[in-house]
Amino acid sequence: QSALTQPASVSGSPGQSITISCTGTSSDVGSYSLVSWYQQHPGKAPKLMIYEGSKRPSGVSNRFSGSKSGNTASLTISGLQAEDEADYYCCSYAGSSTLVFGGGTKLTVL
Amino acid sequence: QLQLQESGPGLVKPSETLSLTCSVSGGSLSTSSYYWGWIRQPPGTGLEWIGTIYYSGTTYYNPSLKSRVTISVDTSKNQFSLKLSSVTAADTAVYYCARQPSSGYYPNYYYSYMDVWGKGTTVTVSS
Repeated sequence: QSALTQPASVSGSPGQSITISCTGTSSDVGSYSLVSWYQQHPGKAPKLMIYEGSKRPSGVSNRFSGSKSGNTASLTISGLQAEDEADYYCCSYAGSSTLVFGGGTKLTVL
Repeated sequence: QLQLQESGPGLVKPSETLSLTCSVSGGSLSTSSYYWGWIRQPPGTGLEWIGTIYYSGTTYYNPSLKSRVTISVDTSKNQFSLKLSSVTAADTAVYYCARQPSSGYYPNYYYSYMDVWGKGTTVTVSS
């Protein structure tokens, strides 16, 4: 069970859209539409942003969306805002009741 | 509103056992709608799923930690606990407990995400 692969960092200007990728294998991301995404500000606990691939919890802005193609899941943030600057982690169901996280992506709003 | 609170020693000696408890308030742990999990984050690095428990006591562990991890539940206290044995410096991390919604249909239930998190507690392994 290896960690999912995310870019170490992405950046964008206010108002722009960015996409963070999360690449796994046919044993996790590719086999299940069960990827979740978490936002983490420094010193804080992670916050659920997307679950089951593309569903948004109540209270999460519709600027956040999730998708999947093959073994890669993606988180897109549109209309980038300063408060979106944070670390983002993906997580996938990996079969046999196990979960695997990505290494995390630092989003910088320029 | 459901809240989770981790508690336990902040300093553990190498080779000893790390013990943490997660107290659940604002709701019952004894519900078929949720599982309950532990996740950790070493300094400056990413998140790692440690394991999950159902209120009935059924447990699921990360294969890489399975030989050292025990998760248990005390429904009378509305708490669940983590024990990690034979710790080393590599186990130094912020430890989070979290609620994991149950999905699927009988008999194939599963969990795939964490919707409520505790604030986390820092555990340092050092002599």
